[in-house]
Amino acid sequence: QKEVEQDPGPLSVPEGAIVSLNCTYSNSAFQYFMWYRQYSRKGPELLMYTYSSGNKEDGRFTAQVDKSSKYISLFIRDSQPSDSATYLCAMRAAGNKLTFGGGTRVLVKP
Amino acid sequence: ETGVTQSPTHLIKTRGQQVTLRCSSQSGHNTVSWYQQALGQGPQFIFQYYREEENGRGNFPPRFSGLQFPNYSSELNVNALELDDSALYLCASSLEASAYEQYFGPGTRLTVT
Repeated sequence: QKEVEQDPGPLSVPEGAIVSLNCTYSNSAFQYFMWYRQYSRKGPELLMYTYSSGNKEDGRFTAQVDKSSKYISLFIRDSQPSDSATYLCAMRAAGNKLTFGGGTRVLVKP
Repeated sequence: ETGVTQSPTHLIKTRGQQVTLRCSSQSGHNTVSWYQQALGQGPQFIFQYYREEENGRGNFPPRFSGLQFPNYSSELNVNALELDDSALYLCASSLEASAYEQYFGPGTRLTVT
């Protein structure tokens, strides 16, 4: 079993809809939680970062962490075709190693 | 401010050969991490270099080795290439080893035939 599980998708939504993404994890030592966006043939780009449990909002993006359930979410409001990409969750314990999920491919249709 | 750059963009090698990939970190960053991303999967941590020393390693065999130079640029070397080494190799730089924010380069796509 992988430490971080993520549905591979694809997740297809109409433009303007809310995109809901999530990851589950098994390592209770994870303290830092991140979401990256990766366009085809590009490197990942950091979207959101959360420390421990709670919510964080940045523009159209909201990240949620529920450590008791070992579950994290990313919501994208008012989705645009330019949001079509692969979204990767990543987590870190006290050390320096990032552990990624497998990524969810998102398609926003005009 | 120059971002993270990697070279070459693409590479084709034969099984058993050796390869060297290069990464220039973002200005002011002293830490470089390397990741392997197989097609359709998330990146997997290979190792990190902090101030020219290896500072953590993932589950990769010793034929994966690295180097960091005084200007904090870095190399990833892979010996005795195997077909399963075909992947996108990403490097990421950060201000410090403990920094959560890592800036990724565009990657080098390695194909082993």
